Amino acid sequence: NAGVTQTPKFRVLKTGQSMTLLCAQDMNHEYMYWYRQDPGMGLRLIHYSVGEGTTAKGEVPDGYNVSRLKKQNFLLGLESAAPSQTSVYFCASSYSGREVGNEQFFGPGTRLTVL
Amino acid sequence: KQEVTQIPAALSVPEGENLVLNCSFTDSAIYNLQWFRQDPGKGLTSLLLIQSSQREQTSGRLNASLDKSSGRSTLYIAASQPGDSATYLCAVSGNQFYFGTGTSLTVIP
Repeated sequence: NAGVTQTPKFRVLKTGQSMTLLCAQDMNHEYMYWYRQDPGMGLRLIHYSVGEGTTAKGEVPDGYNVSRLKKQNFLLGLESAAPSQTSVYFCASSYSGREVGNEQFFGPGTRLTVL
Repeated sequence: KQEVTQIPAALSVPEGENLVLNCSFTDSAIYNLQWFRQDPGKGLTSLLLIQSSQREQTSGRLNASLDKSSGRSTLYIAASQPGDSATYLCAVSGNQFYFGTGTSLTVIP
């Protein structure tokens, strides 16, 4: 049982390049989330999904797109990377989003640098 | 918008001491509150989750309490050890999850 995995672990991009971050979970969780963590800002929610085929915006969605084609996978895309997107990105999943079952489990993170 | 605050931002204690970490939030309409531990360069590990209908949860040397009406939670760590050194984060869930910026704990041998 691997839990939540993220690929890649590290990436360096030039301004304007695109990339996709992959998150996978093997816990049969319905909900999945993408966060970014910046010094002094804490974790902020980018996008989330409440089930296969669904996506919704979080607190800081601009410049990112997501897709949830399969229940176990949640992709985060940067179409045209900017230096302001330099951050550590975390994926998380939970069984539900309500009071019962919404304990979140996190992946190890992806450290992205945009030059 | 929910605001989550953790005070202090950093804490240094000698080994064996009991300590309390604080978390406060502005909107009491939450589903639950979750405490995490984060080691440098690593992801978040869930420590305790308190549902909104509960007052506290315990796991080993850890005890977390929740007072929804006052918008406060505390994480009590008993008999601290050097291995407890990490950043501790709290998060509250409503329609979304909101995180505090964490308390960096150092336990000195």
